[in-house]
Amino acid sequence: EFVLTQSPATLSLSPGERATLSCRASQSVTNSFAWYQQKPGQAPRLLIYHASNRAAGIPARFSASGSGTDFTLTISSLEPEDFAVYYCQQRSTWPPITFGQGTRLEIK
Amino acid sequence: EVQLVQSGAEVKKPGESLKISCKASGYTFNNYWIGWVRQMPGKGLEWMGIIYPGDSDTRYSPSFEGQVSISVDKSANTAYVQWSSLKASDTAMYYCARSHGGNANTPGDYFDYWGQGSLVTVSS
Repeated sequence: EFVLTQSPATLSLSPGERATLSCRASQSVTNSFAWYQQKPGQAPRLLIYHASNRAAGIPARFSASGSGTDFTLTISSLEPEDFAVYYCQQRSTWPPITFGQGTRLEIK
Repeated sequence: EVQLVQSGAEVKKPGESLKISCKASGYTFNNYWIGWVRQMPGKGLEWMGIIYPGDSDTRYSPSFEGQVSISVDKSANTAYVQWSSLKASDTAMYYCARSHGGNANTPGDYFDYWGQGSLVTVSS
């Protein structure tokens, strides 16, 4: 069974700080890898596709990298609107398409 | 402008049937896979399945195979997910999402547009 494991489960930081979120795959993944942001009461929003490409309209403070089994999402300087839940997702080994369990980024 | 507009909230009793919808606009419906994602209260995202409107090719997550049925009406640019006999554990928000790129055989790598969600509550 293919599994994406995100860490940490919760990240407590202050505005202006740097956030680093991780996602580890149980098997090697091609670049069919994405990150989403979900705010309370809203649908998920695509942030990053193909492991490192920002989606349209996503601010430059969001960046991502990784290959194989280890992927990272970085927010360089947190803005108040960045506090949300973040999910990774892969389509490399499918079906099923897989989501990570999420990282909650909360205000410290 | 690409839009996915989902049907409204539903309150059902266990054992009842239900069909929720996702109407697409702003792009060529037949050419993009549409996926369905469940989010149980306070939990994460779970991929349920995906359908290619062009030929109705449908793939399911093993967790949802036999539990739901995904379909499309090409004439209405609408995708559906339906249950024949709901359970309390089906209580969740359900999202449809367009898979970017891909082809008739394989969906794209990510979901670029999402519906607003349909809340399903199953309670006796």
